[in-house]
Amino acid sequence: NAGVTQTPKFQVLKTGQSMTLQCAQDMNHNSMYWYRQDPGMGLRLIYYSASEGTTDKGEVPNGYNVSRLNKREFSLRLESAAPSQTSVYFCASSEGLAGNNEQFFGPGTRLTVL
Amino acid sequence: KNEVEQSPQNLTAQEGEFITINCSYSVGISALHWLQQHPGGGIVSLFMLSSGKKKHGRLIATINIQEKHSSLHITASHPRDSAVYICAVYGNQFYFGTGTSLTVIP
Repeated sequence: NAGVTQTPKFQVLKTGQSMTLQCAQDMNHNSMYWYRQDPGMGLRLIYYSASEGTTDKGEVPNGYNVSRLNKREFSLRLESAAPSQTSVYFCASSEGLAGNNEQFFGPGTRLTVL
Repeated sequence: KNEVEQSPQNLTAQEGEFITINCSYSVGISALHWLQQHPGGGIVSLFMLSSGKKKHGRLIATINIQEKHSSLHITASHPRDSAVYICAVYGNQFYFGTGTSLTVIP
């Protein structure tokens, strides 16, 4: 039981390059989330998926797209990376929408955009 | 405007001390979460509460809905408690505090 896994762990991109961050959970959770964490700021929600087949914008969605591929997997895509997207990205999942459900976090992806 | 404020931002304690971390919030909520972020970066959920008090081992979390305030207490602190503790509240969305960095010295 791996919980929430993320790939890659580290990535360096040049401005304008694209990439996809992968996330998978094996807990049969309905809801999944993508957050970014920047120094001096709290975690900020980028996108979330309340259930398979649905996705919704969070607080900071600009410059990102997501795909809920199936119940297990939720990917985050940067179409044209910018230095402002340098951050640590966390994927999380919960049984239902996370207000009243415990969230389980992946180990994070540290992304640097040059 | 920060919907969630934590204090202190940084805290250093001697092993064995009783520690309190505070969280105040300004929005209506249905639940409050305390998270722990390890030095390596991983985040785990410690507590989820909507009223009263919860206890897990040496950790105690309380919430006062009327005062919009929560506290996380660590009794008999240990160096392995060194981490960043994050308060998060859920109203119509999640709001996260910036965290309290705790260092426990042997």
